[in-house]
Amino acid sequence: NAGVTQTPKFRILKIGQSMTLQCTQDMNHNYMYWYRQDPGMGLKLIYYSVGAGITDKGEVPNGYNVSRSTTEDFPLRLELAAPSQTSVYFCASSSAEGPNQPQHFGDGTRLSIL
Amino acid sequence: KQEVTQIPAALSVPEGENLVLNCSFTDSAIYNLQWFRQDPGKGLTSLLLIQSSQREQTSGRLNASLDKSSGRSTLYIAASQPGDSATYLCAVRMNRDDKIIFGKGTRLHILP
Repeated sequence: NAGVTQTPKFRILKIGQSMTLQCTQDMNHNYMYWYRQDPGMGLKLIYYSVGAGITDKGEVPNGYNVSRSTTEDFPLRLELAAPSQTSVYFCASSSAEGPNQPQHFGDGTRLSIL
Repeated sequence: KQEVTQIPAALSVPEGENLVLNCSFTDSAIYNLQWFRQDPGKGLTSLLLIQSSQREQTSGRLNASLDKSSGRSTLYIAASQPGDSATYLCAVRMNRDDKIIFGKGTRLHILP
């Protein structure tokens, strides 16, 4: 069972470069989320989506963009990479059949901006 | 604004002991509360989810309790094992379609 798959697992970017973090899930989940986790901190929500074509900002959306053209995919885009965006990024999904369904997480993308 | 706090930040206990991890939240009007486990270099794994109408949930050696009125939840781990070593995170959801707010976690180390 694949679950939530994130690519790449590691990436180093130069300041000002752009990239897309990929996230796909095969559980037919409606809800998908992007979080960032900084050392010693909890997770902070960047963007989330309650279904295809619908996205909403979380706590820390500045510097990021998302799209949700399909149920399966929820890519996160960094347009102008900054050192403050060095972090571990996690994608998660959950079923729309009641929000009391647990979230399923990917293994993360470790991103360094130099 | 909801804030979720986990104390202590780190904990080391000998193998075999029972232990309790604490989570507190400032706004008691939560929809549910979830405990996660995170292994180094990995994502989060959901352990237990307690709905606002529930007092506790159990899974194997794990028991999570919820006291909404006092803004507290505890995760009880019985007969701890080295394999329980991980970071444990608590998270609350405020409304049905709302985001989830995480605590910073407790790093647990079980000494063989």
